[in-house]
Amino acid sequence: DAKTTQPPSMDCAEGRAANLPCNHSTISGNEYVYWYRQIHSQGPQYIIHGLKNNETNEMASLIITEDRKSSTLILPHATLRDTAVYYCIVRVADAGGTSYGKLTFGQGTILTVHP
Amino acid sequence: ETGVTQTPRHLVMGMTNKKSLKCEQHLKHNAMYWYKQSAKKPLELMFVYNFKEQTENNSVPSRFSPECPNSSHLFLHLHTLQPEDSALYLCASSRDRESYTFGSGTRLTVV
Repeated sequence: DAKTTQPPSMDCAEGRAANLPCNHSTISGNEYVYWYRQIHSQGPQYIIHGLKNNETNEMASLIITEDRKSSTLILPHATLRDTAVYYCIVRVADAGGTSYGKLTFGQGTILTVHP
Repeated sequence: ETGVTQTPRHLVMGMTNKKSLKCEQHLKHNAMYWYKQSAKKPLELMFVYNFKEQTENNSVPSRFSPECPNSSHLFLHLHTLQPEDSALYLCASSRDRESYTFGSGTRLTVV
């Protein structure tokens, strides 16, 4: 799977948009971009994923550049409960004949939302 | 409740003890995973099971022994652990290429 690069930490004011960048310059055509977050001492939580089109759900928006070499996760109105480690992961859509693919986590970005 | 339940939430064990971690999912997922998260380190994938068959073992020491009796249950049997094995052990499940659902983890302390 392609490697990703994220800033180690970011700050955001409560109520403002949090924009978390991720570089994945070696991404392949069949690799998706996934975002997870991990609140302290809990299991990671799925946020969103995409291939090449921008995606939006009730939690966040995912903006992927046209060349797919980078992406941005947007939390439109950050709250204190969004303080967490955010992981950007590139994952192969098909993994051989067994049709599943493992998630490989990096260090992620520690997002701190301030009052 | 995420759909993946791990027990116990906390475990303290001596180096000569034998204990087991349990994971259960009611999501009808076919794949289950064990991850280890040590302090200030990324999550490390330990084992992968697909339809009860182990498909990946990431060079995990034999003192960790997984068991998957059916698609809904996954165990991690522990014996003669070392203090450096103290960590958060996370179980996850997925259906094919879909997103993973993680449990809340077991915080293990080896004394």
